[in-house]
Amino acid sequence: SQTIHQWPATLVQPVGSPLSLECTVEGTSNPNLYWYRQAAGRGLQLLFYSVGIGQISSEVPQNLSASRPQDRQFILSSKKLLLSDSGFYLCAWSVELSYSPLHFGNGTRLTVT
Amino acid sequence: GEDVEQSLFLSVREGDSSVINCTYTDSSSTYLYWYKQEPGAGLQLLTYIFSNMDMKQDQRLTVLLNKKDKHLSLRIADTQTGDSAIYFCAENNFNKFYFGSGTKLNVKP
Repeated sequence: SQTIHQWPATLVQPVGSPLSLECTVEGTSNPNLYWYRQAAGRGLQLLFYSVGIGQISSEVPQNLSASRPQDRQFILSSKKLLLSDSGFYLCAWSVELSYSPLHFGNGTRLTVT
Repeated sequence: GEDVEQSLFLSVREGDSSVINCTYTDSSSTYLYWYKQEPGAGLQLLTYIFSNMDMKQDQRLTVLLNKKDKHLSLRIADTQTGDSAIYFCAENNFNKFYFGSGTKLNVKP
């Protein structure tokens, strides 16, 4: 069966520090991978999605970047965090089938101080 | 991006039915989904419906789709306190998934 791992679960970082959040998927190959941000415990904003290694699409211009160095690994990064980067970050995967839903990780709570 | 809208709050009594509504804008969406999020957790898939269907039932859950009005609803029968959570509808548009703002369901005993 497929599983998704996302870490760390919580993170407190000072303004101006770098960020690296990692997500890995097991039990499937060539998944579509996604990063979402959820602010104030409510709506989800699509940040990045990837349909293959090295293929990243950005939905919203921002202080963040994403990379996919391996088939089942997706990394969210920032060189210098802003206060507005605080939020709940969710990684998700799907397969390349029209009915395939998104499957989410448990999320990372990021607080920028 | 696409606009998916939901009402923010719903409060019901235990044992009553809950109906959570959603409107979407992209008529080309082929699948529509309902997710549940409990505090501090990721989103859990509840059910989904293909756009050429009007209704789908899965135990206590009933999904209704009005494609003409782009309106989706989730009915939870015999709502329990464990159903208290945030519920999101989502549409799939060429492998990009867009979510509503979520409806917080509060179930009173």
